[in-house]
Amino acid sequence: SQQGEEDPQALSIQEGENATMNCSYKTSINNLQWYRQNSGRGLVHLILIRSNEREKHSGRLRVTLDTSKKSSSLLITASRAADTASYFCATEDNYGQNFVFGPGTRLSVLP
Amino acid sequence: EAGVVQSPRYKIIEKKQPVAFWCNPISGHNTLYWYLQNLGQGPELLIRYENEEAVDDSQLPKDRFSAERLKGVDSTLKIQPAELGDSAVYLCASSFSWGGPNTGELFFGEGSRLTVL
Repeated sequence: SQQGEEDPQALSIQEGENATMNCSYKTSINNLQWYRQNSGRGLVHLILIRSNEREKHSGRLRVTLDTSKKSSSLLITASRAADTASYFCATEDNYGQNFVFGPGTRLSVLP
Repeated sequence: EAGVVQSPRYKIIEKKQPVAFWCNPISGHNTLYWYLQNLGQGPELLIRYENEEAVDDSQLPKDRFSAERLKGVDSTLKIQPAELGDSAVYLCASSFSWGGPNTGELFFGEGSRLTVL
């Protein structure tokens, strides 16, 4: 079963706009990760945030984590057409190193 | 540095036929994962190896699926016999688990897309 659930399922924006995706999960976690997948390709790691962190930045990416609400958000600022992809959150449970992925958010950035 | 290599990229077979997928992880990575990804869905774990030991195969349909990781490096995933519902992308990922700040980052291959007719 999938622990993480991304929201929205699909998002369409204009180039230059910001894109925000949310992830909710059910059980305690050690960390939460975000991945990107271009069509027909494998997943690429974007950013990892640990359970004791609240916010993390990497280039145009900003990730927040609220463990009390069991939720995380991924913000992509100044989006580009090349950001068009599916974005997945993955959580690592406290019992080992199993990563559970959500169904993903399909982002379309229109030029 | 070479990434995770998977082959074949595409495979089309008739139902009831066998099929095998191969994965070469990043050199030095001790943990290897096989995931199944259906269209429009996230990856679902099939099996996880720590070196050559399968530490989690609870989601692997053992009546038809088998996997091995000889010498703790390359891995193969086999389906015999394949069913129509097995059509999906099979992703291999690897990581190096050492408890440091990068613990947990997965490196994925491009996947093997299986079509069962």
